[in-house]
Amino acid sequence: DAKTTQPPSMDCAEGRAANLPCNHSTISGNEYVYWYRQIHSQGPQYIIHGLKNNETNEMASLIITEDRKSSTLILPHATLRDTAVYYCIVRDAGNMLTFGGGTRLMVKP
Amino acid sequence: GAVVSQHPSWVICKSGTSVKIECRSLDFQATTMFWYRQFPKQSLMLMATSNEGSKATYEQGVEKDKFLINHASLTLSTLTVTSAHPEDSSFYICSANNRQGADYGYTFGSGTRLTVV
Repeated sequence: DAKTTQPPSMDCAEGRAANLPCNHSTISGNEYVYWYRQIHSQGPQYIIHGLKNNETNEMASLIITEDRKSSTLILPHATLRDTAVYYCIVRDAGNMLTFGGGTRLMVKP
Repeated sequence: GAVVSQHPSWVICKSGTSVKIECRSLDFQATTMFWYRQFPKQSLMLMATSNEGSKATYEQGVEKDKFLINHASLTLSTLTVTSAHPEDSSFYICSANNRQGADYGYTFGSGTRLTVV
């Protein structure tokens, strides 16, 4: 079973920041948090991952709470092409990625 | 960055025939590859984990004799759907593990849409 919970859907205005929350209250100390997104009928695209510290790359920022029980993915300036399903995943002990339901982000003009 | 090539991107086959899907890591060696299945409007479901040179590990409820997985090299894994039936119609996606020390990268293929008629 997936170890994360996410809101099923969110809307965001084009050009504004999209903040996608994820709850992973049962995460263990050495488990990483991964974020992927999937645009319709394509394979998941890697966005970012982290363990404890906040991370930033050219696509997004990942903010992990100090207790590591939740995280937030931030798309700083959402565009229409960011409309997708966003998955927050905790890599398990078997080093597999188990997908939950994800958040369907709709970026609106 | 790491690239995983999956093909075919789509295939239509007759009921009772077999279909092979290939997954290749193009610029890295993948000791572990994963196969997922995704039905419309649902999330990805892990079917099996394949390790190079050994038998695949299947998730509960996935028939190993129906979904044959071969991981003969560090860059190639194949999934064969044997005696396909309409209920096997789905979007199949592979993923390859690109390990760098204690950190793991997972790169996904573009998926294969299988339609069994």
